[in-house]
Amino acid sequence: GAGVSQSPRYKVAKRGQDVALRCDPISGHVSLFWYQQALGQGPEFLTYFQNEAQLDKSGLPSDRFFAERPEGSVSTLKIQRTQQEDSAVYLCASKPGASVISYNEQFFGPGTRLTVL
Amino acid sequence: QKEVEQDPGPLSVPEGAIVSLNCTYSNSAFQYFMWYRQYSRKGPELLMYTYSSGNKEDGRFTAQVDKSSKYISLFIRDSQPSDSATYLCAMRRGGSQGNLIFGKGTKLSVKP
Repeated sequence: GAGVSQSPRYKVAKRGQDVALRCDPISGHVSLFWYQQALGQGPEFLTYFQNEAQLDKSGLPSDRFFAERPEGSVSTLKIQRTQQEDSAVYLCASKPGASVISYNEQFFGPGTRLTVL
Repeated sequence: QKEVEQDPGPLSVPEGAIVSLNCTYSNSAFQYFMWYRQYSRKGPELLMYTYSSGNKEDGRFTAQVDKSSKYISLFIRDSQPSDSATYLCAMRRGGSQGNLIFGKGTKLSVKP
């Protein structure tokens, strides 16, 4: 398919475990975003990549959260020493350009549902 | 207080009804306004987007933005059971790289 894909779709972790969540954006998309969506809430911004450069990580809730996109395509969100409050759906979105003066649609993946026990 | 406020509902209407969804916001720097639809266990998908103030119509959907009141609306005409989903408003500051600020989402159920 040509959409954004994420894996795994579901992840159960014990408190204290490390997890890695993968995002495959639409081919050729320059911009990639990670969002966190808690139950009954709207998505909240975590971090932004333009190609391989992480230009904004202001939304990462703690230093346990780390994201990378080393070759400017696939991205991984890593959470170290998971806590119960990390339980949420993690959404990845990509868009074609990086323009700040015009609108490009963000295309969302299906998300990874993380449950921390 | 959150930058974007949206009543989470739930909202239940009969098939064929006109649905009105809305959001208020506090940041006057927002210039792009979007409505996303999210089905259960799926990612959000874009329905409508509007730049600055005004109206935009697409089939059964109409989006309105009133920047003077910091208020946006989505109207759905002739609602269908397939419209049952959570509707999220989202906004973006002009000049930003594009990260969106979302409302909480309104859960809509259209009964046959």
